[in-house]
Amino acid sequence: GESVGLHLPTLSVQEGDNSIINCAYSNSASDYFIWYKQESGKGPQFIIDIRSNMDKRQGQRVTVLLNKTVKHLSLQIAATQPGDSAVYFCAEPMDSSYKLIFGSGTRLLVRP
Amino acid sequence: DAGITQSPRHKVTETGTPVTLRCHQTENHRYMYWYRQDPGHGLRLIHYSYGVKDTDKGEVSDGYSVSRSKTEDFLLTLESATSSQTSVYFCAMSPGTGIEANEKLFFGSGTQLSVL
Repeated sequence: GESVGLHLPTLSVQEGDNSIINCAYSNSASDYFIWYKQESGKGPQFIIDIRSNMDKRQGQRVTVLLNKTVKHLSLQIAATQPGDSAVYFCAEPMDSSYKLIFGSGTRLLVRP
Repeated sequence: DAGITQSPRHKVTETGTPVTLRCHQTENHRYMYWYRQDPGHGLRLIHYSYGVKDTDKGEVSDGYSVSRSKTEDFLLTLESATSSQTSVYFCAMSPGTGIEANEKLFFGSGTQLSVL
């Protein structure tokens, strides 16, 4: 069944293009950030993380950028594929605790 | 899904009835979590556990209780279900150590609960 909201911000990209998904965070003391991907009918899946002592981290086809000055996080997906269609969430620990707080998500649609 | 399963996958119940959702993991991970996911709210933490018999509240714990009698099982109970508890419930686990216990959560496939 449908597992995410119907009114999420949506990014539509052409297959093969690069995608950039943005996230703003509010806690300037946050020192760790994570991106998750959630496909329809499934639970979120870890993509990549970054610590606050870094500005950039690269994975396979994904790059996360952190701008602490404006409290902004972005996920870049290179050569977007149909399998990248999903909802993407940024997340951060709450009060440096065990509790992970998720953003509201962005839906990525890949056009063939 | 990475050694974590939820049951049931779907449940329909009536207002006022008790409901228990089960999460089972085979990874011997210390930390387990229950989240609910609703349109417009994203994922919100209900309760979490940092060990057998060690649990604590999350953001939206009212109306829910949890139990963890074994490392592998984390139960979420709605004592008296209400329509506002209609949601998709996700269980998650993480191996974590110390303050970074929340790193890289592994999620189950979710339980769609409808309270009529």
